[in-house]
Amino acid sequence: NAGVTQTPKFQVLKTGQSMTLQCAQDMNHNSMYWYRQDPGMGLRLIYYSASEGTTDKGEVPNGYNVSRLNKREFSLRLESAAPSQTSVYFCASRAQLQYFGPGTRLTVL
Amino acid sequence: QKEVEQNSGPLSVPEGAIASLNCTYSDRGSQSFFWYRQYSGKSPELIMFIYSNGDKEDGRFTAQLNKASQYVSLLIRDSQPSDSATYLCAVGFGNSGYSTLTFGKGTMLLVSP
Repeated sequence: NAGVTQTPKFQVLKTGQSMTLQCAQDMNHNSMYWYRQDPGMGLRLIYYSASEGTTDKGEVPNGYNVSRLNKREFSLRLESAAPSQTSVYFCASRAQLQYFGPGTRLTVL
Repeated sequence: QKEVEQNSGPLSVPEGAIASLNCTYSDRGSQSFFWYRQYSGKSPELIMFIYSNGDKEDGRFTAQLNKASQYVSLLIRDSQPSDSATYLCAVGFGNSGYSTLTFGKGTMLLVSP
C-alpha cells in the first residue's frame, strides 16, 4: 500500500518547455488535489477532482491543466513553463482524511 | 473568503516542555479540522483530526476545538527535538471531497535539547 505517489521527484525545465506531473493513489479515494507550496505562501490549491470525471479550478489555476485519467490517477500539465512556476508541487487524495504525496521539486530557468 | 490564521513562529520550547500551537478560522460553517506536520523538504503528514468541540488525545498530541471561538489548537506534551517541524492547520466544510481544505501557512516549532 504505497498511498500517494508522484513522479518525477525533481525536474528542471527551461522557460517555454512543457511537462506533465504524474500522481497516483491506491487508497480508492474519490477526491484528488494538486497544490503548490512556495516560501511564505503556504499551500495553494491549483486544481482538484472531487470524483472521477470532474475537475475544478482552485486558487491558482492559471498556466496549468489537469486530467483525471481514472480513479487512481490525476496528472498536472504545464504547457509552457514560466519561472514563476518554480515551486514544490504536492498531490493529495482524500476520503474523510487527506493524504499527500512526496512532492515534485520543479525549477524553471 | 475562507481564511485560516496561524502564527508563523518560530515557537521555541525546551525538550520535555508542552508546545502549544494555535489556529483561528473565519468560516463559521467549518466542520472538520486537521493538523499536519511538515519536516523541511518533506510533504505534510496528517497527525491529528477533530470534528467535535472539546479535546481529542492521541499519544503525546492533543487537539482542542472551540467552534464558538473559531479556534483550534494542538498541544504536544513532552516535546522532543524530533518534533521540530512546521505544523499546518487545515479546515474543511463537511467531509465531501467537493469541499476543499483551507490551510494556514504554518507555525514553525523548534524544540531545543
